[in-house]
Amino acid sequence: AQSVTQPDARVTVSEGASLQLRCKYSYSGTPYLFWYVQYPRQGLQLLLKYYSGDPVVQGVNGFEAEFIKSNSSFHLRKASVHWSDSAVYFCAVSDNNNAPRFGAGTKLSVKP
Amino acid sequence: EAAVTQSPRNKVAVTGGKVTLSCNQTNNHNNMYWYRQDTGHGLRLIHYSYGAGSTEKGDIPDGYKASRPSQENFSLILELATPSQTSVYFCASGQGNTEVFFGKGTRLTVV
Repeated sequence: AQSVTQPDARVTVSEGASLQLRCKYSYSGTPYLFWYVQYPRQGLQLLLKYYSGDPVVQGVNGFEAEFIKSNSSFHLRKASVHWSDSAVYFCAVSDNNNAPRFGAGTKLSVKP
Repeated sequence: EAAVTQSPRNKVAVTGGKVTLSCNQTNNHNNMYWYRQDTGHGLRLIHYSYGAGSTEKGDIPDGYKASRPSQENFSLILELATPSQTSVYFCASGQGNTEVFFGKGTRLTVV
């Protein structure tokens, strides 16, 4: 089955700084890839998704991610973070109608 | 508005007792999922379903059963609850390989 690794459990950045959250997946074919965000005591919400085509996908609130097949990666980026971006971010992968698998999550803290 | 609703939102259960977590979706999605969220593990897949009457084991099914009596409803059953099942449980629905939609979660404490 497919799997996801998010190597950074916690990331702290200053407000206005750029951000990259790392995600690597394990799957032999071309997967469907997602980033979700979780605010405190809430369910997960979709930030962006990649199915095919342009490897750089845009999401909500200025987030983007790049699918790099040769590196099995789908890192999340944002040019300038805001304090309201503080949350837990999850990378997920699915394929062929199989249930999505999620990474362990990265907790982002934005310092004022 | 399409939604995934979980009940109860909070539950305290005794060790050895039976617990049923319920999930209802109005998205008309075929697929439904149960995950648990624990610090350091992220979301782990317990059971899922492709439609009414079907259930499939996920990655950590031991100690859990699932029931999908209808398109809209998907339950997670702990026949003999243990403290190790203390967690936050999320239900989600989806269609094919598209994104999934989550409920707000159920916080279960087994004492």
